Amino acid sequence: DAGITQSPRYKITETGRQVTLMCHQTWSHSYMFWYRQDLGHGLRLIYYSAAADITDKGEVPDGYVVSRSKTENFPLTLESATRSQTSVYFCASTPGTGGQPQHFGDGTRLSIL
Amino acid sequence: TQLLEQSPQFLSIQEGENLTVYCNSSSVFSSLQWYRQEPGEGPVLLVTVVTGGEVKKLKRLTFQFGDARKDSSLHITAAQPGDTGLYLCAGAGATNKLIFGTGTLLAVQP
Repeated sequence: DAGITQSPRYKITETGRQVTLMCHQTWSHSYMFWYRQDLGHGLRLIYYSAAADITDKGEVPDGYVVSRSKTENFPLTLESATRSQTSVYFCASTPGTGGQPQHFGDGTRLSIL
Repeated sequence: TQLLEQSPQFLSIQEGENLTVYCNSSSVFSSLQWYRQEPGEGPVLLVTVVTGGEVKKLKRLTFQFGDARKDSSLHITAAQPGDTGLYLCAGAGATNKLIFGTGTLLAVQP
């Protein structure tokens, strides 16, 4: 089925470890986004991508790395996880510009001990 | 930095009551979107408003975009338990990025 899928759904890791969150979409949307959702902060943009090999920082990029070698995949890596990165992470995609709606995955709940 | 403040943050009401959620900013947006998010899922788009003063209805939900395109409201008439969820407004500006509000968590008790 077409859609946007995130994996894993749940992850527990320790501080200092590297962890990668995966995001895959089947619509061939140009734009993809990574957000974190924390109580009292709503959704905050970490990184986004306008196309394969084009990425840019969002509001809270520190401690995160992204890549986009293929249009359909947009992995997010925490190179050395910290407790402050415990959060729920959402990936989203949209076909183009002009404030078009974003389509979200179901999220990855990440806990860093 | 563009900010969107939502109020109230939390709302617990009885089935059948009416309610209004507000989304305010000092910035102008080209359009504003409303999403609903249920536990364990990502946000899902409810509506997009584009024109200042625009009103859109989705069954018992009424969305309004302020004349100056800086604020918006969501009114629910005769709330049902199925309306329970987190409501998020999101403003679109000159770029492709959305600025999300802080969210309103609604609980409708049967």
